Amino acid sequence: GQNIDQPTEMTATEGAIVQINCTYQTSGFNGLFWYQQHAGEAPTFLSYNVLDGLEEKGRFSSFLSRSKGYSYLLLKELQMKDSASYLCAVRGTGTALIFGKGTTLSVSS
Amino acid sequence: DSGVTQTPKHLITATGQRVTLRCSPRSGDLSVYWYQQSLDQGLQFLIHYYNGEERAKGNILERFSAQQFPDLHSELNLSSLELGDSALYFCASSVGERPGELFFGEGSRLTVL
Repeated sequence: GQNIDQPTEMTATEGAIVQINCTYQTSGFNGLFWYQQHAGEAPTFLSYNVLDGLEEKGRFSSFLSRSKGYSYLLLKELQMKDSASYLCAVRGTGTALIFGKGTTLSVSS
Repeated sequence: DSGVTQTPKHLITATGQRVTLRCSPRSGDLSVYWYQQSLDQGLQFLIHYYNGEERAKGNILERFSAQQFPDLHSELNLSSLELGDSALYFCASSVGERPGELFFGEGSRLTVL
């Protein structure tokens, strides 16, 4: 089976840096994804890691350690619009992406 | 706009009823995935179709069924509805059989009274 854990809620202030962690256990591993979802809206793709290391894309970076079953999403220079849920998802040996329950990030001024 | 279209956007019905949710994938995408999202469970994978054939089943109840038609649109049928079926139902599509990036529709919000 698959198990994905991430914190339920986090808070941060504008301009700060926040790290959202995700740990996973899967039967087989073929990639880890991060999605952003604003309340009542569709999830949108942020990043994809399949090899160990850091992938940087603007203010967002994602890190993967396959041996530890661990990933994090790093958000820099936080803005109010970054208030959203951040979903960690894993592709195992099957054809579906399995999602964690998400981390709700609240950014305050 | 992801290019994935879902209808209806909102649906209110009563317990015991049956509803059909429709999804049109992005042009060229052969895979369609259905997910259910409720407040306490997050995004739960229901079922995956690729080019008209079922490829994987997740936590889909026996009261639910789906199909993908030759024009690649998909329908999710929910029957004998219960209060607990109230949720946001998302359809997502991708090009291949094994998902890279998934493109999500805006969702269909189902309320069962």
